[in-house]
Amino acid sequence: GAGVSQSPSNKVTEKGKDVELRCDPISGHTALYWYRQRLGQGLEFLIYFQGNSAPDKSGLPSDRFSAERTGESVSTLTIQRTQQEDSAVYLCASSLNSGYNEQFFGPGTRLTVL
Amino acid sequence: KNEVEQSPQNLTAQEGEFITINCSYSVGISALHWLQQHPGGGIVSLFMLSSGKKKHGRLIATINIQEKHSSLHITASHPRDSAVYICAVTDMDSNYQLIWGAGTKLIIKP
Repeated sequence: GAGVSQSPSNKVTEKGKDVELRCDPISGHTALYWYRQRLGQGLEFLIYFQGNSAPDKSGLPSDRFSAERTGESVSTLTIQRTQQEDSAVYLCASSLNSGYNEQFFGPGTRLTVL
Repeated sequence: KNEVEQSPQNLTAQEGEFITINCSYSVGISALHWLQQHPGGGIVSLFMLSSGKKKHGRLIATINIQEKHSSLHITASHPRDSAVYICAVTDMDSNYQLIWGAGTKLIIKP
């Protein structure tokens, strides 16, 4: 599998629970992005990782959201104390590096908060 | 005013028609992207271009840097082309963040 993979594909949780979403980028891609897409809306930037540089967290909507990346590999997006407004598809994308930034997207994780 | 604007917002056409989707932007860019999102959510990058024209199969993307305008064309359209087509630009001041258009929902009827 040479593409970006995400897990789980679907997650249903109760309000107030924590969730962890995983992204495996394309091997060799140093840049990794997380986006959120609410139903019927466009993509909303959340966070960007580039190699060992400090991540750009400017898109995270609240301090309930956090993300980590281990080196240039897997990333996890954690949402604490989930709220119903967190329901969305969370998309991960990777690119070769920040200067050549055609982004390759994973299939997304559909999060439903009841 | 949005920094990236697409038109039309919705487009319905008959199979075989020539399709044009437009994208205008107001910022300095280092690249412009066209992406496709099918029902079910998967997003695929179609083109990344900074000048001129690119062609892939029945898809053609053009950009006019002076006019800050790009078009995506689909020749001999087919129902499987039905999707949302998204224009996004890489702001010249940021070599990684994309500014996204709202998307154009295309439906091709058989």
